[in-house]
Amino acid sequence: ETGVTQTPRHLVMGMTNKKSLKCEQHLGHNAMYWYKQSAKKPLELMFVYSLEERVENNSVPSRFSPECPNSSHLFLHLHTLQPEDSALYLCASSQGSAVGAFFGQGTRLTVV
Amino acid sequence: KNEVEQSPQNLTAQEGEFITINCSYSVGISALHWLQQHPGGGIVSLFMLSSGKKKHGRLIATINIQEKHSSLHITASHPRDSAVYICAGPEYGNKLVFGAGTILRVKS
Repeated sequence: ETGVTQTPRHLVMGMTNKKSLKCEQHLGHNAMYWYKQSAKKPLELMFVYSLEERVENNSVPSRFSPECPNSSHLFLHLHTLQPEDSALYLCASSQGSAVGAFFGQGTRLTVV
Repeated sequence: KNEVEQSPQNLTAQEGEFITINCSYSVGISALHWLQQHPGGGIVSLFMLSSGKKKHGRLIATINIQEKHSSLHITASHPRDSAVYICAGPEYGNKLVFGAGTILRVKS
Protein backbone atom coordinates (compact mmCIF):
# COMPACT_ATOMS: atom_id res chain seq x y z
CA GLU A 1 0.00 0.00 0.00
CA THR A 2 1.72 3.16 -1.22
CA GLY A 3 -0.96 5.66 -0.24
CA VAL A 4 -1.95 6.25 -3.85
CA THR A 5 -5.16 4.46 -4.86
CA GLN A 6 -6.33 3.97 -8.42
CA THR A 7 -9.71 2.75 -9.59
CA PRO A 8 -10.69 0.73 -11.41
CA ARG A 9 -7.83 -1.78 -11.52
CA HIS A 10 -9.02 -3.20 -14.83
CA LEU A 11 -11.14 -1.62 -17.55
CA VAL A 12 -12.34 -2.89 -20.90
CA MET A 13 -13.99 -0.32 -23.12
CA GLY A 14 -15.18 0.02 -26.67
CA MET A 15 -13.85 2.66 -28.99
CA THR A 16 -17.03 4.71 -28.72
CA ASN A 17 -17.28 4.57 -24.93
CA LYS A 18 -16.52 7.31 -22.43
CA LYS A 19 -14.92 6.28 -19.17
CA SER A 20 -12.83 7.83 -16.41
CA LEU A 21 -9.87 6.66 -14.37
CA LYS A 22 -9.60 7.89 -10.81
CA CYS A 23 -6.58 8.46 -8.60
CA GLU A 24 -6.64 9.45 -4.96
CA GLN A 25 -3.85 10.28 -2.52
CA HIS A 26 -4.02 11.38 1.07
CA LEU A 27 -0.30 11.81 1.57
CA GLY A 28 -0.47 15.60 1.52
CA HIS A 29 1.46 15.71 -1.75
CA ASN A 30 1.21 18.75 -3.98
CA ALA A 31 1.95 17.17 -7.36
CA MET A 32 0.17 14.37 -9.23
CA TYR A 33 1.04 12.58 -12.43
CA TRP A 34 -0.43 10.32 -15.08
CA TYR A 35 1.91 7.85 -16.76
CA LYS A 36 1.30 5.37 -19.55
CA GLN A 37 3.13 2.07 -19.74
CA SER A 38 2.72 0.17 -23.00
CA ALA A 39 3.98 -3.35 -23.48
CA LYS A 40 7.79 -3.55 -23.57
CA LYS A 41 8.21 0.25 -23.42
CA PRO A 42 9.42 2.56 -20.66
CA LEU A 43 6.92 4.57 -18.69
CA GLU A 44 5.84 7.69 -20.53
CA LEU A 45 4.75 10.83 -18.75
CA MET A 46 1.35 12.08 -19.86
CA PHE A 47 0.35 14.90 -17.52
CA VAL A 48 1.62 16.67 -14.44
CA TYR A 49 -0.46 18.71 -12.05
CA SER A 50 1.24 20.87 -9.46
CA LEU A 51 -0.92 22.65 -6.90
CA GLU A 52 -3.95 21.63 -9.00
CA GLU A 53 -2.61 23.38 -12.11
CA ARG A 54 -1.56 21.44 -15.18
CA VAL A 55 2.13 22.12 -15.67
CA GLU A 56 3.01 19.45 -18.22
CA ASN A 57 1.14 18.00 -21.16
CA ASN A 58 3.48 15.63 -22.92
CA SER A 59 1.91 15.81 -26.41
CA VAL A 60 -0.99 13.61 -25.39
CA PRO A 61 -3.93 13.25 -27.83
CA SER A 62 -7.07 15.13 -26.89
CA ARG A 63 -9.00 11.88 -26.43
CA PHE A 64 -7.26 11.83 -23.02
CA SER A 65 -8.51 14.63 -20.79
CA PRO A 66 -7.15 15.06 -17.26
CA GLU A 67 -8.90 16.76 -14.39
CA CYS A 68 -7.54 17.70 -10.97
CA PRO A 69 -10.40 19.06 -8.84
CA ASN A 70 -8.26 19.24 -5.70
CA SER A 71 -4.83 18.24 -4.50
CA SER A 72 -5.98 14.77 -3.45
CA HIS A 73 -7.78 13.65 -6.59
CA LEU A 74 -6.82 13.22 -10.21
CA PHE A 75 -8.96 11.91 -13.04
CA LEU A 76 -8.22 10.83 -16.58
CA HIS A 77 -11.28 11.07 -18.80
CA LEU A 78 -11.22 8.80 -21.81
CA HIS A 79 -13.29 9.07 -24.99
CA THR A 80 -13.13 7.55 -28.45
CA LEU A 81 -9.94 5.68 -27.67
CA GLN A 82 -8.07 3.48 -30.11
CA PRO A 83 -6.89 -0.11 -29.58
CA GLU A 84 -3.29 1.16 -29.41
CA ASP A 85 -4.26 3.09 -26.29
CA SER A 86 -4.49 -0.23 -24.45
CA ALA A 87 -1.87 -0.04 -21.72
CA LEU A 88 -1.27 0.23 -18.00
CA TYR A 89 -2.06 3.72 -16.75
CA LEU A 90 -0.25 4.69 -13.59
CA CYS A 91 -0.93 7.58 -11.28
CA ALA A 92 1.72 8.98 -8.96
CA SER A 93 2.05 11.76 -6.46
CA SER A 94 4.96 13.61 -4.91
CA GLN A 95 5.80 16.52 -2.67
CA GLY A 96 7.76 18.77 -4.99
CA SER A 97 10.20 16.86 -7.17
CA ALA A 98 9.01 13.86 -9.15
CA VAL A 99 11.96 11.89 -7.83
CA GLY A 100 10.62 10.00 -4.87
CA ALA A 101 7.07 9.88 -6.22
CA PHE A 102 4.65 7.31 -4.85
CA PHE A 103 2.86 5.24 -7.47
CA GLY A 104 -0.58 3.68 -7.53
CA GLN A 105 -1.28 0.09 -8.57
CA GLY A 106 -2.30 1.16 -12.04
CA THR A 107 -5.35 0.63 -14.23
CA ARG A 108 -4.99 -2.02 -16.91
CA LEU A 109 -6.96 -0.60 -19.85
CA THR A 110 -8.03 -2.64 -22.85
CA VAL A 111 -9.70 -0.90 -25.77
CA VAL A 112 -11.69 -3.22 -28.02
CA LYS B 1 17.33 6.66 -27.90
CA ASN B 2 16.36 6.43 -24.27
CA GLU B 3 18.47 8.74 -22.14
CA VAL B 4 18.43 6.25 -19.28
CA GLU B 5 19.90 2.87 -20.15
CA GLN B 6 19.57 -0.22 -18.01
CA SER B 7 21.41 -3.50 -18.24
CA PRO B 8 20.75 -6.30 -18.46
CA GLN B 9 17.28 -6.22 -19.98
CA ASN B 10 16.55 -9.72 -18.70
CA LEU B 11 18.18 -11.57 -15.85
CA THR B 12 17.59 -15.07 -14.54
CA ALA B 13 19.27 -16.09 -11.31
CA GLN B 14 19.26 -19.01 -8.92
CA GLU B 15 18.00 -18.44 -5.42
CA GLY B 16 20.79 -17.17 -3.22
CA GLU B 17 22.80 -15.50 -5.97
CA PHE B 18 24.11 -11.95 -5.75
CA ILE B 19 22.44 -9.79 -8.40
CA THR B 20 23.52 -6.49 -9.95
CA ILE B 21 21.43 -4.27 -12.19
CA ASN B 22 23.09 -1.27 -13.80
CA CYS B 23 21.73 2.10 -14.83
CA SER B 24 23.58 4.67 -16.95
CA TYR B 25 22.17 8.01 -17.95
CA SER B 26 23.12 10.77 -20.33
CA VAL B 27 20.89 13.47 -18.85
CA GLY B 28 22.33 15.60 -16.09
CA ILE B 29 20.50 14.52 -12.99
CA SER B 30 20.94 15.30 -9.35
CA ALA B 31 19.18 12.23 -7.98
CA LEU B 32 18.04 8.85 -9.14
CA HIS B 33 15.10 6.67 -8.25
CA TRP B 34 15.01 2.88 -8.22
CA LEU B 35 11.55 1.36 -8.57
CA GLN B 36 10.20 -2.17 -8.41
CA GLN B 37 7.22 -3.24 -10.49
CA HIS B 38 5.46 -6.50 -9.69
CA PRO B 39 3.54 -8.59 -12.26
CA GLY B 40 0.25 -6.96 -11.24
CA GLY B 41 1.60 -3.61 -12.39
CA GLY B 42 1.95 -1.76 -9.10
CA ILE B 43 5.17 0.19 -8.63
CA VAL B 44 6.98 0.50 -5.34
CA SER B 45 9.73 2.97 -4.61
CA LEU B 46 12.93 1.27 -3.46
CA PHE B 47 15.51 4.02 -3.22
CA MET B 48 16.01 7.66 -3.98
CA LEU B 49 19.64 8.65 -3.86
CA SER B 50 21.86 11.49 -4.92
CA SER B 51 25.25 10.24 -3.71
CA GLY B 52 27.04 7.28 -2.23
CA LYS B 53 25.18 4.22 -1.15
CA LYS B 54 21.92 3.26 0.51
CA LYS B 55 20.93 -0.08 2.00
CA HIS B 56 17.57 -1.53 2.88
CA GLY B 57 17.47 -5.14 3.93
CA ARG B 58 19.00 -7.22 1.14
CA LEU B 59 18.93 -4.32 -1.32
CA ILE B 60 21.82 -1.94 -1.87
CA ALA B 61 21.87 1.00 -4.28
CA THR B 62 24.93 2.99 -5.25
CA ILE B 63 25.33 6.05 -7.41
CA ASN B 64 28.23 7.95 -8.95
CA ILE B 65 26.91 11.29 -10.15
CA GLN B 66 30.18 12.21 -11.94
CA GLU B 67 30.19 8.96 -13.91
CA LYS B 68 26.39 9.08 -14.39
CA HIS B 69 26.02 5.51 -13.23
CA SER B 70 24.01 3.71 -10.59
CA SER B 71 23.73 0.09 -9.55
CA LEU B 72 21.14 -1.89 -7.66
CA HIS B 73 22.39 -4.99 -5.86
CA ILE B 74 20.34 -7.78 -4.33
CA THR B 75 22.09 -10.09 -1.91
CA ALA B 76 20.88 -13.64 -1.20
CA SER B 77 18.24 -13.36 -3.91
CA HIS B 78 14.87 -15.03 -3.42
CA PRO B 79 12.04 -15.92 -5.84
CA ARG B 80 9.91 -13.16 -4.32
CA ASP B 81 12.48 -10.68 -5.69
CA SER B 82 11.24 -11.56 -9.18
CA ALA B 83 9.96 -8.31 -10.66
CA VAL B 84 10.85 -5.54 -13.07
CA TYR B 85 13.38 -3.07 -11.70
CA ILE B 86 13.31 0.43 -13.15
CA CYS B 87 15.64 3.35 -12.67
CA ALA B 88 14.49 6.90 -13.26
CA GLY B 89 15.99 10.35 -13.03
CA PRO B 90 14.57 13.85 -13.24
CA GLU B 91 15.13 15.48 -16.62
CA TYR B 92 13.86 18.83 -15.52
CA GLY B 93 11.25 20.10 -13.15
CA ASN B 94 8.60 17.47 -12.65
CA LYS B 95 9.58 15.27 -15.60
CA LEU B 96 11.13 11.89 -14.89
CA VAL B 97 13.04 9.92 -17.50
CA PHE B 98 12.67 6.18 -17.08
CA GLY B 99 14.83 3.27 -18.07
CA ALA B 100 13.20 0.42 -19.96
CA GLY B 101 13.44 -1.83 -16.93
CA THR B 102 15.26 -5.05 -16.07
CA ILE B 103 13.11 -8.16 -15.85
CA LEU B 104 14.47 -10.28 -13.01
CA ARG B 105 13.46 -13.88 -12.44
CA VAL B 106 14.86 -15.74 -9.46
CA LYS B 107 14.43 -19.50 -9.62
CA SER B 108 14.25 -21.70 -6.54
